[in-house]
Amino acid sequence: DAGVTQSPTHLIKTRGQHVTLRCSPISGHKSVSWYQQVLGQGPQFIFQYYEKEERGRGNFPDRFSARQFPNYSSELNVNALLLGDSALYLCASSLAGSDETQYFGPGTRLLVL
Amino acid sequence: GQNIDQPTEMTATEGAIVQINCTYQTSGFNGLFWYQQHAGEAPTFLSYNVLDGLEEKGRFSSFLSRSKGYSYLLLKELQMKDSASYLCALQDRDSNYQLIWGAGTKLIIKP
Repeated sequence: DAGVTQSPTHLIKTRGQHVTLRCSPISGHKSVSWYQQVLGQGPQFIFQYYEKEERGRGNFPDRFSARQFPNYSSELNVNALLLGDSALYLCASSLAGSDETQYFGPGTRLLVL
Repeated sequence: GQNIDQPTEMTATEGAIVQINCTYQTSGFNGLFWYQQHAGEAPTFLSYNVLDGLEEKGRFSSFLSRSKGYSYLLLKELQMKDSASYLCALQDRDSNYQLIWGAGTKLIIKP
């Protein structure tokens, strides 16, 4: 079975641009969470979606948005990119998004110049 | 709120045993996870503790004491491939079980 997949793997953008990151969960998983990980730190929670509904939101500005599709895949959108948005963006899937284990995709490494 | 502390870096010798500690101050959590993360890669699940005590899984074991606000990951028979960062994360019961992460411990294995 395929694990969590993310695209693209790497991305370079300039300040002020917009970016869309994509994630496909493990087959049968209905919940997707997004995390931002800056070098040398642990991941920071951005969003969690379950059955296309937002279930949780971390302490990120409104420039960050996300959605989940009927097939449970998800997109993370970031507008008006800042240099500080450079990070590894991780997507994790779980069965129902409550107390199960989260399984991570390979991440998208975003560099903002 | 949650506050999670781990040592920044540890060094150990191939074949030896190492214990990585995680201490936390929290108002409440469901369970505690340990993940392994190799440089530039995504975290991979190692263990999950809900109840106090030791959970053993091959060369890796994890321990939790809620009364002491303390967990550790024990790695036995260290191999060079165990060189990675090890992150502990709490499931926050007050925010739909989102994971709150420590900064991770970078483990360096020497021959």
